[in-house]
Amino acid sequence: RKEVEQDPGPFNVPEGATVAFNCTYSNSASQSFFWYRQDCRKEPKLLMSVYSSGNEDGRFTAQLNRASQYISLLIRDSKLSDSATYLCVVAAVNTGNQFYFGTGTSLTVIP
Amino acid sequence: DAEITQSPRHKITETGRQVTLACHQTWNHNNMFWYRQDLGHGLRLIHYSYGVQDTNKGEVSDGYSVSRSNTEDLPLTLESAASSQTSVYFCASSESRAGGQETQYFGPGTRLLVL
Repeated sequence: RKEVEQDPGPFNVPEGATVAFNCTYSNSASQSFFWYRQDCRKEPKLLMSVYSSGNEDGRFTAQLNRASQYISLLIRDSKLSDSATYLCVVAAVNTGNQFYFGTGTSLTVIP
Repeated sequence: DAEITQSPRHKITETGRQVTLACHQTWNHNNMFWYRQDLGHGLRLIHYSYGVQDTNKGEVSDGYSVSRSNTEDLPLTLESAASSQTSVYFCASSESRAGGQETQYFGPGTRLLVL
């Protein structure tokens, strides 16, 4: 079983739409969670960390559900510039704090 | 501005050749990592280092080696390149933090083709 699983998509949404991605993780001891964004043929860049209480950064909201072992990313009022692949990342002390990446969810925002 | 760079950005080599990919960061981060990214897989950890003279194997370390002689550099060597090592390679670095994992910052990547 993979450490981190994501729906690869693609998600094709119109500008202004709200879109949500989920990501599940297998290691119940995981304690660090992130969403990274990766543009085509570029390096991953941190979008936001995910905290236990949930957190919001402008149009982006991240949630953590420890009981069900998933994290989510909500994007409101989608912009064309949001088109990218979104990577879910999980780390746990019992695996040496190594980052485990999902395969990514592809988002295209359509004019 | 502090940054992390990789060279070369593109490389074509032949099976059996030794190849070294360079990674240099100017953030003075203790932690450095090498990943490979292939279609259908997330980024997978090859090797990592938590400081000078420290190196550790990751999930997919066979056929690769690293050395850490200073804080800024973590070169990745493919001992004898194989076609299965055709991939995009990313270097990353992070600060040390007790009890958790700091954000990792990635270099621009090296695209390697092994013929």
